[in-house]
Amino acid sequence: DAGVIQSPRHEVTEMGQEVTLRCKPISGHNSLFWYRQTMMRGLELLIYFNNNVPIDDSGMPEDRFSAKMPNASFSTLKIQPSEPRDSAVYFCASRGRGTQYFGPGTRLLVL
Amino acid sequence: GENVEQHPSTLSVQEGDSAVIKCTYSDSASNYFPWYKQELGKRPQLIIDIRSNVGEKKDQRIAVTLNKTAKHFSLHITETQPEDSAVYFCAAGPNTNAGKSTFGDGTTLTVKP
Repeated sequence: DAGVIQSPRHEVTEMGQEVTLRCKPISGHNSLFWYRQTMMRGLELLIYFNNNVPIDDSGMPEDRFSAKMPNASFSTLKIQPSEPRDSAVYFCASRGRGTQYFGPGTRLLVL
Repeated sequence: GENVEQHPSTLSVQEGDSAVIKCTYSDSASNYFPWYKQELGKRPQLIIDIRSNVGEKKDQRIAVTLNKTAKHFSLHITETQPEDSAVYFCAAGPNTNAGKSTFGDGTTLTVKP
């Protein structure tokens, strides 16, 4: 298994642009998580899905952020419009038998 | 919901010494306690975990202990090496495919050669 796959690995964009981050979880995992990591705020859980259904989105910072999971093998996190304070590393993780496995992350820089 | 506190936030040890990181949790229903290591610029990776039916688990130089009565668990690293330098996260949650683990704020461990 290739593990959790995220794309793109790096994204540089200008303020106001739409950003879409993608994640493919490990096959057979039922839960998927989106995290954001910055030096100032550490590792924050944004949202998680169980069997493709959003369960807890209380960590989503504001309406500019949205996440979808149309099927068991794909999820997106969208930021529209993006702002410089959204610059961070965004991790996707999937969970099997209690253990969460993280993807390599997407390093986002909003200018 | 679950609340996890982790101490210390930073820890510096001399190579060869032991390092101990401690976490407490609030939800008595939690029964799965993983530890993750995150090296600079990389993803958090699972290094060891413990489930509530055991009190201690060891894997070479790392060990984890769990006290369910007191709701705390600890990571022990013996004979530390410079490559152990990283941020370590503890987490607590259900031992199922559903639900989420709540993470501590992390401990930055520096091992001085």
